[in-house]
Amino acid sequence: SQQGEEDPQALSIQEGENATMNCSYKTSINNLQWYRQNSGRGLVHLILIRSNEREKHSGRLRVTLDTSKKSSSLLITASRAADTASYFCATIIQGAQKLVFGQGTRLTINP
Amino acid sequence: DGGITQSPKYLFRKEGQNVTLSCEQNLNHDAMYWYRQDPGQGLRLIYYSQIVNDFQKGDIAEGYSVSREKKESFPLTVTSAQKNPTAFYLCASSIEGAGGIDNEQFFGPGTRLTVL
Repeated sequence: SQQGEEDPQALSIQEGENATMNCSYKTSINNLQWYRQNSGRGLVHLILIRSNEREKHSGRLRVTLDTSKKSSSLLITASRAADTASYFCATIIQGAQKLVFGQGTRLTINP
Repeated sequence: DGGITQSPKYLFRKEGQNVTLSCEQNLNHDAMYWYRQDPGQGLRLIYYSQIVNDFQKGDIAEGYSVSREKKESFPLTVTSAQKNPTAFYLCASSIEGAGGIDNEQFFGPGTRLTVL
């Protein structure tokens, strides 16, 4: 079963609107990371939030982490066409030596 | 220009053949990883290596083999034992192993393998 699961699986919004994606996980984690993947390309790291942090910002990105609910959200403000991509959350399970990815949210920004 | 390179970008293989995918990094990272991605899916870990001359199986290692003779290189061989090898393969590296506290992974551009 997946450690991280993103919701929704697909999201389509108009340029300029905000996009929110959610990630839920099952077990205790060291940190949670968000990555972006443009079609047919490798992944690009966006942001890492540690288990003792609740919120983190990077440019137009805002990530929150609620360890009591085992969930995280990624907010992209003032979306642009270039934000069209798939977004994955990934977690390091405590005691494990690997990063576990969810299945991703496919975000489409319509001009 | 630092980064991770993968070659080839596209690879076609006949059934029963072994093929080797190349992954090289000049980031001086200790840890390297191989993932498989199927259409519309997330990434699944095949093998990982935290240090030269050492590697561990990931979640889907059957039918694959790796070596880590040099810090910069982590080639993946897809053997004929892998029953459904058609997929997108991604290599990644990180400064330290995935258990480290700040361990973002840097990805290569990927190799798309198709079995004919």
